[in-house]
Amino acid sequence: DGGITQSPKYLFRKEGQNVTLSCEQNLNHDAMYWYRQDPGQGLRLIYYSQIVNDFQKGDIAEGYSVSREKKESFPLTVTSAQKNPTAFYLCASRDPGQAALSNQPQHFGDGTRLSIL
Amino acid sequence: GQNIDQPTEMTATEGAIVQINCTYQTSGFNGLFWYQQHAGEAPTFLSYNVLDGLEEKGRFSSFLSRSKGYSYLLLKELQMKDSASYLCAAGINYGQNFVFGPGTRLSVLP
Repeated sequence: DGGITQSPKYLFRKEGQNVTLSCEQNLNHDAMYWYRQDPGQGLRLIYYSQIVNDFQKGDIAEGYSVSREKKESFPLTVTSAQKNPTAFYLCASRDPGQAALSNQPQHFGDGTRLSIL
Repeated sequence: GQNIDQPTEMTATEGAIVQINCTYQTSGFNGLFWYQQHAGEAPTFLSYNVLDGLEEKGRFSSFLSRSKGYSYLLLKELQMKDSASYLCAAGINYGQNFVFGPGTRLSVLP
């Protein structure tokens, strides 16, 4: 079955530590996204990538970094510069299709819940 | 800037009909998506509108008015399992990315 796999499901970060969240997809989608969701709030875009070896900052990129070396993989690193990292992190992918008729929805992974120790 | 608004919470009774509204102000608008998200889980796609009008999918329908920057999701014959958050998301920058609303938490009561 095709889908998106995020790991780990739960992650704890110590002060001053960088942690990396994994996102892998076998849907052959070009576009991938990282969102952060805080309790009772909607999704906020951290980074997105439309194609391999290219990515763009979203609305809240400070304190985060990404790479897109392979089409299937889009890992997110939460650096020590992110002072409030506790949140639910969601990765998504999408087949962009034709830009003017982009009715393709995003497909989401099951998320990683990050907390501070 | 990009802005999407939805009611925070709604309550309805099993078997009833509920309408969840969404208003948006975005640039490069490229369609309106609705997702369902159960607590602690991933959002799942429900519907998409790019042209004005109503799209029907079983118990779920979605409406769009581009001139008014307005959409709604209509849920009929409510079931207990419909208790979830419903996220409205606008495609922007000609489909390059998306802006999500805060989500509407729907509680279905027996």
